[in-house]
Amino acid sequence: AQRVTQPEKLLSVFKGAPVELKCNYSYSGSPELFWYVQYSRQRLQLLLRHISRESIKGFTADLNKGETSFHLKKPFAQEEDSAMYYCALNAGGTSYGKLTFGQGTILTVHP
Amino acid sequence: DAGVTQSPTHLIKTRGQHVTLRCSPISGHKSVSWYQQVLGQGPQFIFQYYEKEERGRGNFPDRFSARQFPNYSSELNVNALLLGDSALYLCASSLRQGNSPLHFGNGTRLTVT
Repeated sequence: AQRVTQPEKLLSVFKGAPVELKCNYSYSGSPELFWYVQYSRQRLQLLLRHISRESIKGFTADLNKGETSFHLKKPFAQEEDSAMYYCALNAGGTSYGKLTFGQGTILTVHP
Repeated sequence: DAGVTQSPTHLIKTRGQHVTLRCSPISGHKSVSWYQQVLGQGPQFIFQYYEKEERGRGNFPDRFSARQFPNYSSELNVNALLLGDSALYLCASSLRQGNSPLHFGNGTRLTVT
């Protein structure tokens, strides 16, 4: 069975500081990893996925299969980055509808 | 472009009752998934439907059921409600069954008293 762990429930940084949200996963196959974000009073939305290898809003995430991690990073945090962030895993195959989510990390960026 | 819409937004039910939650996917999306989010936890997968057929089921009791209609909208039904069923129920749609991102609705907040 797959599992996603986000060890930090809360993370606070100051504007302009680097930020890293940790995500570790447990899955025996080749997973597909995602980061979803939920801003205040908005719906859950996709931030990025590892297969795209893209940078969204300055965030990047690299899949490290050796460490089974998919940490989310941004070199200079902005106040508008304050939100709830969820790491999620898809067990592969044809079903993107079935995601396993972590518990989430609340990021607060102070001015 | 309308996003995923869910109704109702809030609902209060009594233990033992039955509830039906509704979801309309983004136009053109054929896959709908349902998630339960208990306070303080991440969303937990309940069902996925694609082309009106169940394609995946999470670890939920048989009290939970769902269906998808020809217009790709979906209903989630929960029978014999328990206090522990109190949660935010999220619906998500995607263009295809695989390799397309999920778009979430705002959810239905269910409170069981």
